[in-house]
Amino acid sequence: AQTVTQSQPEMSVQEAETVTLSCTYDTSESNYYLFWYKQPPSRQMILVIRQEAYKQQNATENRFSVNFQKAAKSFSLKISDSQLGDTAMYFCAASGSRLTFGEGTQLTVNP
Amino acid sequence: KAGVTQTPRYLIKTRGQQVTLSCSPISGHRSVSWYQQTPGQGLQFLFEYFSETQRNKGNFPGRFSGRQFSNSRSEMNVSTLELGDSALYLCASSPGIRDAATPYGYTFGSGTRLTVV
Repeated sequence: AQTVTQSQPEMSVQEAETVTLSCTYDTSESNYYLFWYKQPPSRQMILVIRQEAYKQQNATENRFSVNFQKAAKSFSLKISDSQLGDTAMYFCAASGSRLTFGEGTQLTVNP
Repeated sequence: KAGVTQTPRYLIKTRGQQVTLSCSPISGHRSVSWYQQTPGQGLQFLFEYFSETQRNKGNFPGRFSGRQFSNSRSEMNVSTLELGDSALYLCASSPGIRDAATPYGYTFGSGTRLTVV
């Protein structure tokens, strides 16, 4: 069975600064994908970024990037130049026959 | 392209009643999954339907059931509601059956907020 753990229930950051959200996972699969989802107060879960386990290069999507450490089974999300609209719950997820989600990290961006 | 549509958005029910939630996936998507989200338990997988067949089931009691129609729309039913069933129920659609190497994630609806009183 897959497990995904997010050890930071809450984090805060000042606008324009950088913040890193942590995620560790466990899976028995040889190839898999990892995802970060964002859930703002509107409740809509939005895909932020994905990483294929076979790719050594870390994925980047504009201000969002990941630090993928396959051996350590770590998959952190870095948000650069934080904006007020980044305030949301962030979920890390691992692929399988279903997506397995972590507990979530509530990120607050302060003006 | 329309997104995933869940109805209703909000629902208040009394203990012991039953409830049916509806989800229309993105056009062309044939897989629908349901998740329960609560502050204490996070996102928990309920079940997945593909081509009108339940493909996968989470660890929920038999009071939770679902079905999928030929147009891929899905319904979820909870019978004999309990206070602990109060949650946000999220529907997620994807093009097909997934495994670990499936590159795409889910597209989620905005959820149905169920309150049991």
